[in-house]
Amino acid sequence: GENVEQHPSTLSVQEGDSAVIKCTYSDSASNYFPWYKQELGKGPQLIIDIRSNVGEKKDQRIAVTLNKTAKHFSLHITETQPEDSAVYFCAASIRYSSASKIIFGSGTRLSIRP
Amino acid sequence: DVKVTQSSRYLVKRTGEKVFLECVQDMDHENMFWYRQDPGLGLRLIYFSYDVKMKEKGDIPEGYSVSREKKERFSLILESASTNQTSMYLCASIRRSSYNEQFFGPGTRLTVL
Repeated sequence: GENVEQHPSTLSVQEGDSAVIKCTYSDSASNYFPWYKQELGKGPQLIIDIRSNVGEKKDQRIAVTLNKTAKHFSLHITETQPEDSAVYFCAASIRYSSASKIIFGSGTRLSIRP
Repeated sequence: DVKVTQSSRYLVKRTGEKVFLECVQDMDHENMFWYRQDPGLGLRLIYFSYDVKMKEKGDIPEGYSVSREKKERFSLILESASTNQTSMYLCASIRRSSYNEQFFGPGTRLTVL
């Protein structure tokens, strides 16, 4: 079945530096790739997503890139700030007519050092 | 403000008890999901429902059942709780056949003693 691998599991960066999280997926039929941020005591929240017909998407300090041939996608956070500290999940999704199935990566705990 | 709510934030139960976790969404979403979250394993899908009274097994359905009698409510049932079901349980919903955001509840941390 579909599998999503995420690396690294933990990441610590200096405030102001960039952070990169990488994911690979196994099912070439996957066509939607969301990224979620989970802060302490809360459920995950969508921060950015990308569809399979797009190679890159940017929203202020965060960007996502997708390489369909290699089946990998990455999250880039620039100019990191303390509030970026959280657990980040990548996911791959296959959309059907009546439902969609989303497979999540194992998560990356990002810590921003002051 | 859209919202997914879960009946309890923290729950402690004993082995063998029947446990009900309730989830309610106010967005008129067709699809609802139950995940469990464990360190190093990410979010694993237990069951999902794409309409009232419809349910589909996810990746780890063993030991769980679900109920969707109303569109806004999706219940997860542990028929006989076991210690290996100690986990964080997350409910989510999404509008059918869209690339829209999957909204998550705050989670229920269940401890089975």
